[in-house]
Amino acid sequence: GDSVTQMEGPVTLSEEAFLTINCTYTATGYPSLFWYVQYPGEGLQLLLKATKADDKGSNKGFEATYRKETTSFHLEKGSVQVSDSAVYFCALKHNQGGKLIFGQGTELSVKP
Amino acid sequence: DAGITQSPRHKVTETGTPVTLRCHQTENHRYMYWYRQDPGHGLRLIHYSYGVKDTDKGEVSDGYSVSRSKTEDFLLTLESATSSQTSVYFCAISAPRGASTDTQYFGPGTRLTVL
Repeated sequence: GDSVTQMEGPVTLSEEAFLTINCTYTATGYPSLFWYVQYPGEGLQLLLKATKADDKGSNKGFEATYRKETTSFHLEKGSVQVSDSAVYFCALKHNQGGKLIFGQGTELSVKP
Repeated sequence: DAGITQSPRHKVTETGTPVTLRCHQTENHRYMYWYRQDPGHGLRLIHYSYGVKDTDKGEVSDGYSVSRSKTEDFLLTLESATSSQTSVYFCAISAPRGASTDTQYFGPGTRLTVL
């Protein structure tokens, strides 16, 4: 069945460091791909998305490119801030129906 | 932010008791979902609804039932709670009228502890 695999956390970085969180997926067809972020004590918020191969999603300085050839959707940010500390979830959804399939989440901690 | 509320926000109950969690939306979205979040598992879909009185099972539906009698409310019931159902439960919505189901918006969550 379909699945999403993320790099394990927690990831600890210093402020202004470069961030990469790896995400790979297994799915039939051409799913849409998402990154959600969960700040402490809150629900999930959509961070960015891409709906077809080679699309780049971006928001708040974060970027991810839909790579069909490597079945990946890695999240990157050039300079992280303490306020980026959160749990990040990669997810996929087939265009038929609305069910999301999530990875296990990666906790990011950014130190001043 | 999407208008989604969940109640209660926290609940402690005992094994064997029934529990009902409520999700309420003010966005008139067609689809509603219940997920549970557990360490190492991300979020897993319990049940979802694609309209009033139309529901279907997700990947971890055993021990749970749902009902949707109005567009705005989606209830999750644990008929007889077990310790394995201790979790954080999230409701989500998607598909405003005429739009795709692409993006889901999440509520703040309910932390349930079953002793």
